[in-house]
Amino acid sequence: NAGVTQTPKFQVLKTGQSMTLQCAQDMNHEYMSWYRQDPGMGLRLIHYSVGAGITDQGEVPNGYNVSRSTTEDFPLRLLSAAPSQTSVYFCASSDQGTGGYTFGSGTRLTVV
Amino acid sequence: AQSVTQLDSQVPVFEEAPVELRCNYSSSVSVYLFWYVQYPNQGLQLLLKYLSGSTLVESINGFEAEFNKSQTSFHLRKPSVHISDTAEYFCAVSDRGGFKTIFGAGTRLFVKA
Repeated sequence: NAGVTQTPKFQVLKTGQSMTLQCAQDMNHEYMSWYRQDPGMGLRLIHYSVGAGITDQGEVPNGYNVSRSTTEDFPLRLLSAAPSQTSVYFCASSDQGTGGYTFGSGTRLTVV
Repeated sequence: AQSVTQLDSQVPVFEEAPVELRCNYSSSVSVYLFWYVQYPNQGLQLLLKYLSGSTLVESINGFEAEFNKSQTSFHLRKPSVHISDTAEYFCAVSDRGGFKTIFGAGTRLFVKA
């Protein structure tokens, strides 16, 4: 089925470890974004991209890196995990924003 | 910069009763507005959107929202809710470029039998 695929679905990290959350879409969407969801805070934008080679910071970019080498893939890297990064992470894509975003099923990350 | 305020964190309602979930936004530029729904342990799904034109927009499952520019609001309504409407609802705003979308904190709708 077409859509946004996120891996892994669950991950436990130790403080200081690094990892990459994977996101891929097969809809040829130009726009892709990463959000984190925390109770009572809704979704907060981490980084976004408007096309291959173009990324920008969102509301809460500190501690995260992104790159967009292809239209399909938009990985999110945690450089040195901290307990404050315990959250559910969603990747989303959109054709040009007017259609709204299609979301992946999320990655539940726990940092201990 | 845009921001979104959802005025109610939780809304309990009886089945077949009407419901309104409130959303206010702030922006210095023209915006697109969206409502998304999230069922437990799932990602978000687009419910409806306002881009331009008619200020009243509808979804396929009976929800509607009205864009009010003077009050900077985009409230979501349904005249008669079902148990299956129990979910969390998110209001979102983006600028007319459409690529940077900001979400509200969410409203948890709980429909009781």
